[in-house]
Amino acid sequence: EVQLVETGGGLVQPGRSLKLSCVASGFTFNNYWMAWTRQAPGKGLEWVASITNSGGSTYYPDSVKGRFTISRDNVQNTLYLQMNSLRSEDTATYYCTRQWQLHVMDAWGQGASVTVSS
Amino acid sequence: DIQMTQSPASLSASLGETISIECRTSEDIYSNLAWYQQKSGKSPQLLIYAANRLQDGVPSRFSGSGSGTQYSLKISGMQPEDEGDYFCLQGSKFPLTFGSGTKLEIK
Repeated sequence: EVQLVETGGGLVQPGRSLKLSCVASGFTFNNYWMAWTRQAPGKGLEWVASITNSGGSTYYPDSVKGRFTISRDNVQNTLYLQMNSLRSEDTATYYCTRQWQLHVMDAWGQGASVTVSS
Repeated sequence: DIQMTQSPASLSASLGETISIECRTSEDIYSNLAWYQQKSGKSPQLLIYAANRLQDGVPSRFSGSGSGTQYSLKISGMQPEDEGDYFCLQGSKFPLTFGSGTKLEIK
């Protein structure tokens, strides 16, 4: 069974940093691209970052480019999202997803809640 | 960026009714479109990919169609468990963009 388990969420002050982790199991991790997608409270979905299966290339929307970094450890089967210079508008539930085509996120974690507030 | 226009924003349907949700894109996305369902308090789940391919395990009452810049999701015979939010996602080019969502309720 494919499982994605996110950890690392919490309350953080504006301008500070936070790192999310996602442990994957039930599939060959290094065969798949992975991604982070977020959902602000009561709002829709927003793609945040993608990383190729080797980790050699990463992609971001302008809203987080230069502040967020996606990375992966293919030995530990773990995906990361380093979030720096956090803003109130980054408050959201962050989902780790398996991505086998750009539009195909066929497995989702349970989500990690991030609240940016003073 | 590719803009996504999803409609309607909300929809109320009777049990057994057939409903459709539309996504229009600002440019041709060559069928690189997926539909996701999100039930209250849960993570989204993939329903349809490549515009019309049914994800394994998804009931056959769900279907997708479209091409170019116009896509739709159809539910043939609304069931109680179909209540939730539905989102489209284009993967033709970065940045990936989601539709704004459709809230589907039982009438």
